[in-house]
Amino acid sequence: DSGVTQTPKHLITATGQRVTLRCSPRSGDLSVYWYQQSLDQGLQFLIQYYNGEERAKGNILERFSAQQFPDLHSELNLSSLELGDSALYFCASSGTDNEQFFGPGTRLTVL
Amino acid sequence: GESVGLHLPTLSVQEGDNSIINCAYSNSASDYFIWYKQESGKGPQFIIDIRSNMDKRQGQRVTVLLNKTVKHLSLQIAATQPGDSAVYFCAENMGDYKLSFGAGTTVTVRA
Repeated sequence: DSGVTQTPKHLITATGQRVTLRCSPRSGDLSVYWYQQSLDQGLQFLIQYYNGEERAKGNILERFSAQQFPDLHSELNLSSLELGDSALYFCASSGTDNEQFFGPGTRLTVL
Repeated sequence: GESVGLHLPTLSVQEGDNSIINCAYSNSASDYFIWYKQESGKGPQFIIDIRSNMDKRQGQRVTVLLNKTVKHLSLQIAATQPGDSAVYFCAENMGDYKLSFGAGTTVTVRA
């Protein structure tokens, strides 16, 4: 158990819909990272937050957004969903040593 | 067992043998590299890391070798066990700890 929690574990929705994925980092970690893992693209970095502020951006679509709240939990919002958005979404957190601990992931299925 | 060349998607190894997983990275300026293990249905789990000022680092049953000249990283697992069956990813730091992951190698341990 990495100490990072993600909810929900599974999510099934339809095209065009919007969903919110939630992540709670390990206690004391200020950085949160979001990754997308799909069969054709592999594991891709989406975005990083540090203590509530966006720090780095990767291959995140404009339809996707994220935020980190004062209690340090983070949410990833996916809107106007397409079939190709079906993937595993992982959250990771890190402390001062920058070692990233991954959560169990949310499996999103868009029908 | 050894994955030959820059990347081999699968590696089958006899229990008790040593495993070698290879990875090529893209950015000659990368200063930090990590190996992750991902078991079915779980998030990536940190195995070992290495900074660019080192050539070799050892952990418990694992060794990472870094060859900056040819931009090559390898993970050696000693006395491979059934619990080592998983997908192994190398990752490089693209700056600000944005990680870029390789495609992964699936290791299957034969009893």
